[in-house]
Amino acid sequence: DTEVTQTPKHLVMGMTNKKSLKCEQHMGHRAMYWYKQKAKKPPELMFVYSYEKLSINESVPSRFSPECPNSSLLNLHLHALQPEDSALYLCASSQEEGSRQYFGPGTRLTVL
Amino acid sequence: KNEVEQSPQNLTAQEGEFITINCSYSVGISALHWLQQHPGGGIVSLFMLSSGKKKHGRLIATINIQEKHSSLHITASHPRDSAVYICAVVAANRDDKIIFGKGTRLHILP
Repeated sequence: DTEVTQTPKHLVMGMTNKKSLKCEQHMGHRAMYWYKQKAKKPPELMFVYSYEKLSINESVPSRFSPECPNSSLLNLHLHALQPEDSALYLCASSQEEGSRQYFGPGTRLTVL
Repeated sequence: KNEVEQSPQNLTAQEGEFITINCSYSVGISALHWLQQHPGGGIVSLFMLSSGKKKHGRLIATINIQEKHSSLHITASHPRDSAVYICAVVAANRDDKIIFGKGTRLHILP
């Protein structure tokens, strides 16, 4: 299994909603990543987990809260988002932090 | 100035043409990725390389560490190669931070 899966594929939420994005991989990778990508821009790194511990937080607002319940799962909890947070949220994993990354298909988020 | 520069930004070519996309970077790196992103968003990692040359099917990636330059070549291009190609470097001495180029939008005409 060389796949990173993300759910849901699409999400529309209001500014007062609480929702979660999920990412899963079964490749035994020990590093997992969240990226945000606005239209026609390259992905921007948000968080990195290495061995289930938060390794990098790129000064992301606290309305985004990552969680790594185990080595195969990575969640991104969303609360009180703004319309400008609408974007494609990509998850990736790699054997170790810094090695080749495998990307999920992304969740397209729209905040109304 | 961006730390990772790609050229060209946009490229339109006829099916069958040989395609070259260039990436120059100004930071020390431990590795460089070439990524492919199709409309709709999914990203595929094409290559990760730290020296020399790699080949996979019709795709070839080269890197010159001394010149801080990498190229992605596509031979016998096909309309299904139409996508955005992104160069991303793993910055050495910066906690392996990944720095992305802005991407090259490739359109192959049938």
